Amino acid sequence: EAGVVQSPRYKIIEKKQPVAFWCNPISGHNTLYWYRQNLGQGPELLIRYENEEAVDDSQLPKDRFSAERLKGVDSTLKIQPAELGDSAVYLCASSLYPAGVVWDEQFFGPGTRLTVL
Amino acid sequence: QKEVEQNSGPLSVPEGAIASLNCTYSDRGSQSFFWYRQYSGKSPELIMSIYSNGDKEDGRFTAQLNKASQYVSLLIRDSQPSDSATYLCAVPGGYNKLIFGAGTRLAVHP
Repeated sequence: EAGVVQSPRYKIIEKKQPVAFWCNPISGHNTLYWYRQNLGQGPELLIRYENEEAVDDSQLPKDRFSAERLKGVDSTLKIQPAELGDSAVYLCASSLYPAGVVWDEQFFGPGTRLTVL
Repeated sequence: QKEVEQNSGPLSVPEGAIASLNCTYSDRGSQSFFWYRQYSGKSPELIMSIYSNGDKEDGRFTAQLNKASQYVSLLIRDSQPSDSATYLCAVPGGYNKLIFGAGTRLAVHP
């Protein structure tokens, strides 16, 4: 079974440029998560999707970040314009069941390492 | 905001020793606790979950939970160099939302 796929794996951009990350979750997984992991820190949730619906985006900086999950499968996270402080690893994760299950294991993708110069 | 605290380390142990990793959490209502392992440059992977007070063993790994003290730990017996990684403690912050600690870096030296 293929795992969570993310691309690109690395991205270097100059500040004020736009950037987009792509994620394809494990086949059949309804819930998709975007996390940001700063150096030396644990991942922090940015947004969670149940199928096509964003059900938790309270941590997403909406002035510059946007996300979509068309057709409830793969997802794109965008930053426009990027700032120096956005340098981090952006992790995508997926889980099989929607909210309401007490706990469901999240499987993480390899992440995209973003460097903003 | 729920908080999860971990000592950042590095925790250095000799090969074959027991590594003890600790985590405290702020929300007394937390019911589930998770340990993820993250190798350098890789994504987190779930290695242990624990839901009730006491110990849970899985191979060389033992998770220990004390809800009264709001404390969860991970013991790794017979530590191997391949165990060298960052260990992240996580607590649910809602339905399927995880709150991670900053992680403890473990270094097992031959």
